[in-house]
Amino acid sequence: GAVVSQHPSWVICKSGTSVKIECRSLDFQATTMFWYRQFPKQSLMLMATSNEGSKATYEQGVEKDKFLINHASLTLSTLTVTSAHPEDSSFYICSARDRAVRETQYFGPGTRLLVL
Amino acid sequence: QKEVEQNSGPLSVPEGAIASLNCTYSDRGSQSFFWYRQYSGKSPELIMFIYSNGDKEDGRFTAQLNKASQYVSLLIRDSQPSDSATYLCAVPREGSYIPTFGRGTSLIVHP
Repeated sequence: GAVVSQHPSWVICKSGTSVKIECRSLDFQATTMFWYRQFPKQSLMLMATSNEGSKATYEQGVEKDKFLINHASLTLSTLTVTSAHPEDSSFYICSARDRAVRETQYFGPGTRLLVL
Repeated sequence: QKEVEQNSGPLSVPEGAIASLNCTYSDRGSQSFFWYRQYSGKSPELIMFIYSNGDKEDGRFTAQLNKASQYVSLLIRDSQPSDSATYLCAVPREGSYIPTFGRGTSLIVHP
């Protein structure tokens, strides 16, 4: 079945540093990947849609200069949280779209970011 | 009106009972509908998708779609404590494949 991996699964960093999170589709080609953020006991919030080879489309209210997204290949997208601050601490989840299966999305295991 | 509506719950059912989770959506043009399960602290996992009116069954799970009434349901038969999780309904946005997620319904199955 479709597998999506994320790395790292946990990040603890100091305020002001940048953090890169990788999302990979392991057994299918993902022309589109999505990045979500989820705070405790809240619903998934879509941050941006990433299409291979083009610029990401950000949701309203999401700072594109703070959350840099690169989708350089059909199996890899990265999210970089630049100059992270404590309020950026959250659960970041990527998903990849499998066009071959009725537009189904498969989620990665998520990355927990804690900014001190 | 929100695009995808779910009752946040919690919905509490005894072990062995049928759990019924509902989701309504606003876009009449929606074609595909997805149910995800999310355990606490974990990312969502796909349970089922449905795109035709009627029922779709997979093991203990049944998805029911009624496009005329714009709702999709998930039934869990013989509920187990391990089914306790948040269940998310997802519907692609109009004219797009980008999904809109409901806020999720918390299900608690007690022994």
